[in-house]
Amino acid sequence: EAAVTQSPRNKVAVTGGKVTLSCNQTNNHNNMYWYRQDTGHGLRLIHYSYGAGSTEKGDIPDGYKASRPSQENFSLILELATPSQTSVYFCASGGTGGNQDTQYFGPGTRLLVL
Amino acid sequence: QQKVQQSPESLIVPEGGMASLNCTSSDRNVDYFWWYRQHSGKSPKMLMSIFSNGEKEEGRFTVHLNKASLHTSLHIRDSQPSDSALYLCAAGITGNTGKLIFGLGTTLQVQP
Repeated sequence: EAAVTQSPRNKVAVTGGKVTLSCNQTNNHNNMYWYRQDTGHGLRLIHYSYGAGSTEKGDIPDGYKASRPSQENFSLILELATPSQTSVYFCASGGTGGNQDTQYFGPGTRLLVL
Repeated sequence: QQKVQQSPESLIVPEGGMASLNCTSSDRNVDYFWWYRQHSGKSPKMLMSIFSNGEKEEGRFTVHLNKASLHTSLHIRDSQPSDSALYLCAAGITGNTGKLIFGLGTTLQVQP
């Protein structure tokens, strides 16, 4: 099965601090995605990427930046963390974006912003 | 308003029973669906996909799709306690680079 890893798995940050969440996939997938999951809102797409060097805004990009330095790595950056960004963040990778491409999710990062 | 609506919000079935979950999209551009299962504290894992009108069966799981009404349903027969989880429906649009829109999910509890 496709392998997606995330680090850190848990993070406590202070308001106004910078937070970087990292994701690595060994599936050679072109597409990667960052989601956050919150009760009452479900899974929402923050940023996504078609390949190394590309990043695109998802449905809720405000307050987040993304970086895709290589095929394998995709980072989510919170430059000035706020308590509203407390959530569980999932990274996913998935093929080239065709209908048949399954998205494989990482284990998630639980972020608490105090 | 959620573009992907799932019902019911929660469901309790006895072990060995049938669970039926529903999902509808309000986006007329949607033309395929995925079903994911997420156990508590874990990440979502793909369960089944459906791209054409009709029915698809894999083991104890059956998925239906009606493209005209943008409605899909997931049926789990002979439900097991290990099936207890959050079931997420995701809708996709051809040519939209694989982006998915997720519903809020149905929480299924299978009672032994």
